[in-house]
Amino acid sequence: DQQVKQNSPSLSVQEGRISILNCDYTNSMFDYFLWYKKYPAEGPTFLISISSIKDKNEDGRFTVFLNKSAKHLSLHIVPSQPGDSAVYFCAASDFRDDKIIFGKGTRLHILP
Amino acid sequence: GAVVSQHPSRVICKSGTSVKIECRSLDFQATTMFWYRQFPKQSLMLMATSNEGSKATYEQGVEKDKFLINHASLTLSTLTVTSAHPEDSSFYICSAITGTGGVYGYTFGSGTRLTVV
Repeated sequence: DQQVKQNSPSLSVQEGRISILNCDYTNSMFDYFLWYKKYPAEGPTFLISISSIKDKNEDGRFTVFLNKSAKHLSLHIVPSQPGDSAVYFCAASDFRDDKIIFGKGTRLHILP
Repeated sequence: GAVVSQHPSRVICKSGTSVKIECRSLDFQATTMFWYRQFPKQSLMLMATSNEGSKATYEQGVEKDKFLINHASLTLSTLTVTSAHPEDSSFYICSAITGTGGVYGYTFGSGTRLTVV
């Protein structure tokens, strides 16, 4: 049973345009959500997070939106840059423990 | 910032041998570390939670006798893949809770690519 789902395995976006990565979750106990970026053969690096008490968090070119009623979050990158090409993992955690549950990831290709 | 160092980054071993992977917190103490495994085109799968000074907690379906975890100090956790088989070939990643604790300070090692031949 996959609690965190990223239904798009890959996404291609023109440089300079907006990249939108989507994530759905099933566990209503999740109270904290994170996005990680991963380059090949490296560990994931933290990108941005959002608490369940918020519906938006912005950090530079990255914005995460949370829709609790829909159990959906999205990561917006604008403008997209070549260095943004990577695999992005959506992750979630619930307050009862510190484990993080990851989605399968979405590979983002930024096209020149 | 908090750094988690994982070693080795790549290892090739023969089937039947054991391989040890180290995960160190360089500038902080980590009472809890996590070990993940990434299968191709799949999620980062949590294998176990490593607690300093006590036994690791394994996720369902993970063989504790095959994947030995030792968290002997506040800065070091090790994962030993015993009697490795080709199907154990994968990318293993450790992570630790840093700073204020909880998922707010959560950083990853750089991962270990294990190939069993």
